[in-house]
Amino acid sequence: AQSVTQPDIHITVSEGASLELRCNYSYGATPYLFWYVQSPGQGLQLLLKYFSGDTLVQGIKGFEAEFKRSQSSFNLRKPSVHWSDAAEYFCAVVRNTNAGKSTFGDGTTLTVKP
Amino acid sequence: EPEVTQTPSHQVTQMGQEVILRCVPISNHLYFYWYRQILGQKVEFLVSFYNNEISEKSEIFDDQFSVERPDGSNFTLKIRSTKLEDSAMYFCASSERGQGLNTFGSGTRLTIV
Repeated sequence: AQSVTQPDIHITVSEGASLELRCNYSYGATPYLFWYVQSPGQGLQLLLKYFSGDTLVQGIKGFEAEFKRSQSSFNLRKPSVHWSDAAEYFCAVVRNTNAGKSTFGDGTTLTVKP
Repeated sequence: EPEVTQTPSHQVTQMGQEVILRCVPISNHLYFYWYRQILGQKVEFLVSFYNNEISEKSEIFDDQFSVERPDGSNFTLKIRSTKLEDSAMYFCASSERGQGLNTFGSGTRLTIV
């Protein structure tokens, strides 16, 4: 069965500092990989996705993520964090089979210090 | 851009009552899903639906739950005899081919009182 691990429950960074949120997955083949952001009480907003090809993917709001097959990782990065980036971030994987459901990590809460 | 629409956005229901959550998936999508997120926790898969039948369900999706596609556009989740622990955000999602991107709705916040 597929699984997703986000090792960091809570991360605090200063505004303007760089950010990296970690995500590791367990799956027999290369899954489809996603990062979502969720503000309190709100829905899930897709930041970026990886299906195949270039292992560095660009997303919205200045985020990027790099797929590393050898490490089974898909870490999310941003070079300069803004106060509005404070939110919950979820990594998710989808099996590349029919009826592929999404499996989510536990999430990382990002706090941005002024 | 096409969206998955969920109604209502908030629902308060008395314990023991039945509730139906509604979703309109993207029109050309063939695979439909329900997920649940208890407050402060991660998003959990409940059920997937394809070709008018359940294709996969989690252990959470017990006899209390049912799904239906009553017409060509709606996809519903029914919870019979609700319990306090059913309080959560429920997300509907759809996928064009069942591979890859699940497009999520904005969710229905269900509160059982």
